[in-house]
Amino acid sequence: SQTIHQWPATLVQPVGSPLSLECTVEGTSNPNLYWYRQAAGRGLQLLFYSVGIGQISSEVPQNLSASRPQDRQFILSSKKLLLSDSGFYLCAWGTPIRSSYEQYFGPGTRLTVT
Amino acid sequence: SQQGEEDPQALSIQEGENATMNCSYKTSINNLQWYRQNSGRGLVHLILIRSNEREKHSGRLRVTLDTSKKSSSLLITASRAADTASYFCATDSRGSNYKLTFGKGTLLTVNP
Repeated sequence: SQTIHQWPATLVQPVGSPLSLECTVEGTSNPNLYWYRQAAGRGLQLLFYSVGIGQISSEVPQNLSASRPQDRQFILSSKKLLLSDSGFYLCAWGTPIRSSYEQYFGPGTRLTVT
Repeated sequence: SQQGEEDPQALSIQEGENATMNCSYKTSINNLQWYRQNSGRGLVHLILIRSNEREKHSGRLRVTLDTSKKSSSLLITASRAADTASYFCATDSRGSNYKLTFGKGTLLTVNP
């Protein structure tokens, strides 16, 4: 069965510090991978998605970046965090083989920028 | 951009009652999905309905889709305290490249 991992679960970082959030998927090959951000009490904002290794599409211009160094690994980074980067970050995967577009989410990372 | 808009934003009911949540969207879709999110957790896929379907059932869940009105409803029958969560609709459309657009969600509270 497929499993998706995210770490860390929570993170408190000062403004201006770097960020690296990691997401890995097990049990599937060549998944589409997604990073979302969720502000408190709000819906999900798609940040990045990837359809293959090294292929990253950015949905929202900002000081975040994403990379996919391996088929089932997706990393969200920042060189210098802003207060506005605080939020709940969710990684998700979906299979391009199926036409139903279902996505499967990780447990999330709660980021607080102080 | 947020395509789906759930209504109401918050709903509080007693255990055993039915809960109905609505979702409206703006552009033509291929599929509409409903997800549940428990507080502080990731989203869990509940059910998908295709644009050529009008109704779908899964256990205590019933989803309807009216493409002429660009709206969907999620009915949870005989609710339980464990159903307390936020519920989101998500849509995809032709050419969306496997991207989903989520609404802002309905917070459902089921009181024991």
